[in-house]
Amino acid sequence: DAGVIQSPRHEVTEMGQEVTLRCKPISGHDYLFWYRQTMMRGLELLIYFNNNVPIDDSGMPEDRFSAKMPNASFSTLKIQPSEPRDSAVYFCASSLTSGRLAKNIQYFGAGTRLSVL
Amino acid sequence: GEDVEQSLFLSVREGDSSVINCTYTDSSSTYLYWYKQEPGAGLQLLTYIFSNMDMKQDQRLTVLLNKKDKHLSLRIADTQTGDSAIYFCAESGPSGGYQKVTFGIGTKLQVIP
Repeated sequence: DAGVIQSPRHEVTEMGQEVTLRCKPISGHDYLFWYRQTMMRGLELLIYFNNNVPIDDSGMPEDRFSAKMPNASFSTLKIQPSEPRDSAVYFCASSLTSGRLAKNIQYFGAGTRLSVL
Repeated sequence: GEDVEQSLFLSVREGDSSVINCTYTDSSSTYLYWYKQEPGAGLQLLTYIFSNMDMKQDQRLTVLLNKKDKHLSLRIADTQTGDSAIYFCAESGPSGGYQKVTFGIGTKLQVIP
């Protein structure tokens, strides 16, 4: 498998524009996670899905952020309108269901570096 | 909620051992992990330890777990320049529904040739 694939790798946009980040999880994985990484706050979990259904979106910072998973092989994270403080690296990760006493290994994509000017 | 803390920076000389420390707050954590992030890349699992173990060794890597003090460490023997990266401590367990992993802020390891 090619691993988790994210696009684009880099995105530069102007304040107020809509930004859409894309993710293709590893085939067969049933969990998908969106994270944001900044120097100040480290790695923050924004939202995660199980079998395409959002389970926990408590990390989504504002209503400007939305995420969808229309099928098992694709997810999007949308920011509308974007603001300079949204500048960060956004990671998508996927994992396979593990039992209560099984390890949970998340596989990360290479990330999208977003710059909002 | 769950919290994982680690120091921000560690500098070592090539050939020396590196020890990266981490503390966590959730006493019910089931697994503890070390992930590695190289520049421009995503995180990649390095090693993990089950909570009923106190040590795990994997080639140059040794993980020590002190469950009583909620302290985890990663020792890298014979550190090489290729080990320069950010190392994340993480945990999972019932508090996060087992699938959710809580990450520390990451320790940047600099290896001096």
